[in-house]
Amino acid sequence: EAQVTQNPRYLITVTGKKLTVTCSQNMNHEYMSWYRQDPGLGLRQIYYSMNVEVTDKGDVPEGYKVSRKEKRNFPLILESPSPNQTSLYFCASSPGGAPYGPLHFGNGTRLTVT
Amino acid sequence: EDKVVQSPLSLVVHEGDTVTLNCSYEVTNFRSLLWYKQEKKAPTFLFMLTSSGIEKKSGRLSSILDKKELFSILNITATQTGDSAVYLCALLMDSNYQLIWGAGTKLIIKP
Repeated sequence: EAQVTQNPRYLITVTGKKLTVTCSQNMNHEYMSWYRQDPGLGLRQIYYSMNVEVTDKGDVPEGYKVSRKEKRNFPLILESPSPNQTSLYFCASSPGGAPYGPLHFGNGTRLTVT
Repeated sequence: EDKVVQSPLSLVVHEGDTVTLNCSYEVTNFRSLLWYKQEKKAPTFLFMLTSSGIEKKSGRLSSILDKKELFSILNITATQTGDSAVYLCALLMDSNYQLIWGAGTKLIIKP
């Protein structure tokens, strides 16, 4: 089944403890992106990648890192999480090097940083 | 600054009613406008609109784009409880192929 898989679905951690949220897609999509969703603010883009080894900042990249070493995986790294990074995170992918068409979203990761 | 505004922010109606959700924008030169439905988890794609005045339809849902007046509407007729969701609108920019998202409209359908 074509899908975007994020793990974990829920994560509670403490300030400063490094964490990684994984994202994998099996559709051979070039474009992948990370979003955070907060009440009243909609989806805000953190980082995106147009292809392997090509990543760029979105609207809210501070405090996050990403890497794209292979086409299917696009992990999101929080080196030193802080409470203001408590949010719902979505990974998404799209064929082509940009989101020309509909995005395919993962099921989300709800992160709580205490 | 490029902006997408959805209205209303939330809406409660009874099953069987017809609803119209609005997506207004202050954006020039966009490639397409997209509508998504978000229930408890990931947004799912509904429509992509690129040309003004051409209605897209899928069952009880339809959408149209007005590039002159800078808005799009999403219509849902004969609403059902399964239509309860947050409806998101996004614009794909022509200059950098980035998406600008609205904050969404939360729709609640009461039985």
